[in-house]
Amino acid sequence: DAGITQSPRHKVTETGTPVTLRCHQTENHRYMYWYRQDPGHGLRLIHYSYGVKDTDKGEVSDGYSVSRSKTEDFLLTLESATSSQTSVYFCAISEGVADGYTFGSGTRLTVV
Amino acid sequence: RKEVEQDPGPFNVPEGATVAFNCTYSNSASQSFFWYRQDCRKEPKLLMSVYSSGNEDGRFTAQLNRASQYISLLIRDSKLSDSATYLCVVNMRTDGNKLVFGAGTILRVKS
Repeated sequence: DAGITQSPRHKVTETGTPVTLRCHQTENHRYMYWYRQDPGHGLRLIHYSYGVKDTDKGEVSDGYSVSRSKTEDFLLTLESATSSQTSVYFCAISEGVADGYTFGSGTRLTVV
Repeated sequence: RKEVEQDPGPFNVPEGATVAFNCTYSNSASQSFFWYRQDCRKEPKLLMSVYSSGNEDGRFTAQLNRASQYISLLIRDSKLSDSATYLCVVNMRTDGNKLVFGAGTILRVKS
């Protein structure tokens, strides 16, 4: 959807390097989420945000950090990339859980 | 036990067939339920919400059984374009505004 964009769309990086993925929304939604999707595991929540500077951990947060300094931007940082973090990363936005989520197009990250 | 469980499939059906997917969830206090569709190498997209009384959108019908903690999706007159992975999604009331996604059921519609 045009209201949410992720960048970059694809990235190859080396083990041990830091990587930052960006999620940008134009919907002014309060909630933002970062998921990773891997075969056999489905979508797993990494971190989420319920407002500017308000973030919390999801089920697979180790090795990841996030920041939200503005309503529209939610950044996911891999502090020191490992091969196990090779995955497809999706950002999602929501105004409230009753409305469901809208997902970005995803970022395919390969750590070599 | 997983919070949301689905039969992974794949379900291989001919065009025009009726197919049903089932999903069970573990948290009896869950309030919001959805079916999402995900095409290969694409993001998940909301297909439909699931309401207590059941709801229909064209060829798609969703049902909720709170007593059995069970959700279903029925697709009638399957089209080739229905081929995708269907994700059952539930909010876990104790976790506020977070949704939990099932691993998905693969549907392949063949001519």
